Amino acid sequence: EDQVTQSPEALRLQEGESSSLNCSYTVSGLRGLFWYRQDPGKGPEFLFTLYSAGEEKEKERLKATLTKKESFLHITAPKPEDSATYLCAVYSGGYQKVTFGIGTKLQVIP
Amino acid sequence: DVKVTQSSRYLVKRTGEKVFLECVQDMDHENMFWYRQDPGLGLRLIYFSYDVKMKEKGDIPEGYSVSREKKERFSLILESASTNQTSMYLCASSMPFGSNQPQHFGDGTRLSIL
Repeated sequence: EDQVTQSPEALRLQEGESSSLNCSYTVSGLRGLFWYRQDPGKGPEFLFTLYSAGEEKEKERLKATLTKKESFLHITAPKPEDSATYLCAVYSGGYQKVTFGIGTKLQVIP
Repeated sequence: DVKVTQSSRYLVKRTGEKVFLECVQDMDHENMFWYRQDPGLGLRLIYFSYDVKMKEKGDIPEGYSVSREKKERFSLILESASTNQTSMYLCASSMPFGSNQPQHFGDGTRLSIL
């Protein structure tokens, strides 16, 4: 069974203080790893897909990287508007369901 | 951009009522999904559908049913609502299995069963 573990559960940063969120996974064969952002009371918003180890994707202050066992979401010089819960999910192909982590709740303090 | 629209943002129903949650997507996606999201438990898959009139059980189908009569519409039905079904319900859609494309979500329905 596919498993996803995200750490930390919660992270509080000062504005401008860069950090990383971790997503460790166990799958039989990774076909895609997805990062989402979720604001309170709203649905997850898709950010990135990573397909193979060594791949990187960037969007504004966010950069996602992938190894064979984990993915990192690096946040550079975060702003208060980056505050949200960040979800990681893995897909192992075919009719297998997508497995989601519980998420990391990020709070950026002005 | 993919647009997944859920019919209600907030809904309050009574125990024993039959409840319908509706979801419409505008990207001609083959797959559609229903999840519930609870604090500390994350997203749990209730049902999914990979084609019109086709449905598959997810991890927690008990007490729920679904209907997909048109490609763009996927309905979740609570046959006889109970208080433990109070939750945030999220609908998602995606391209076919094997395309390795992400799911896209609606904004959710916050359902309270009294």
